[in-house]
Amino acid sequence: GQQVMQIPQYQHVQEGEDFTTYCNSSTTLSNIQWYKQRPGGHPVFLIQLVKSGEVKKQKRLTFQFGEAKKNSSLHITATQTTDVGTYFCAANAGNNRKLIWGLGTSLAVNP
Amino acid sequence: EAQVTQNPRYLITVTGKKLTVTCSQNMNHEYMSWYRQDPGLGLRQIYYSMNVEVTDKGDVPEGYKVSRKEKRNFPLILESPSPNQTSLYFCASSFLSGGVDTQYFGPGTRLTVL
Repeated sequence: GQQVMQIPQYQHVQEGEDFTTYCNSSTTLSNIQWYKQRPGGHPVFLIQLVKSGEVKKQKRLTFQFGEAKKNSSLHITATQTTDVGTYFCAANAGNNRKLIWGLGTSLAVNP
Repeated sequence: EAQVTQNPRYLITVTGKKLTVTCSQNMNHEYMSWYRQDPGLGLRQIYYSMNVEVTDKGDVPEGYKVSRKEKRNFPLILESPSPNQTSLYFCASSFLSGGVDTQYFGPGTRLTVL
């Protein structure tokens, strides 16, 4: 079935360094969502991207949707310990509401 | 407060003993779903429901049942649990608004089947 590949699986950074996670699909996506799951918590919706080439920012977080709508990235500038968690992308490939989930990128931040 | 609640939060049971995990949302969302989360496998959808009395299989439905008799409730039923159903389970609900389909997750139910 359809898959969304998310890399890297893990990332360990020093506080203040930047972090990026990528999601890639072999097929065109209708939209892509990003979620954050803190350790011991549940996934929390961050954002949805719909348009080709779309870029959205939330404070230190920058989200991009590729021109071909087959890839997306989440970039965090100057990480903080509060950014620790697993970041998931989830995509819609058709007209239904079923999401195809990436496996997540776990971010650890050394203070 | 808008939320999705799940009960129980933790459960240890034995193989074959029927159990139900309840899920309730107070946001009048029409779409609800169940996921299981396992290390290295991410979130996998078990069942979903587009509205009352409308349910359908997700990616890993074997061994599970659901019902949607009321809009707010979407219980997950394990008729005869087995150890491979040991997992972290999340219920989610969503509402499509302005083209954005935001999923709200419950706090999770950690199930251990011995």
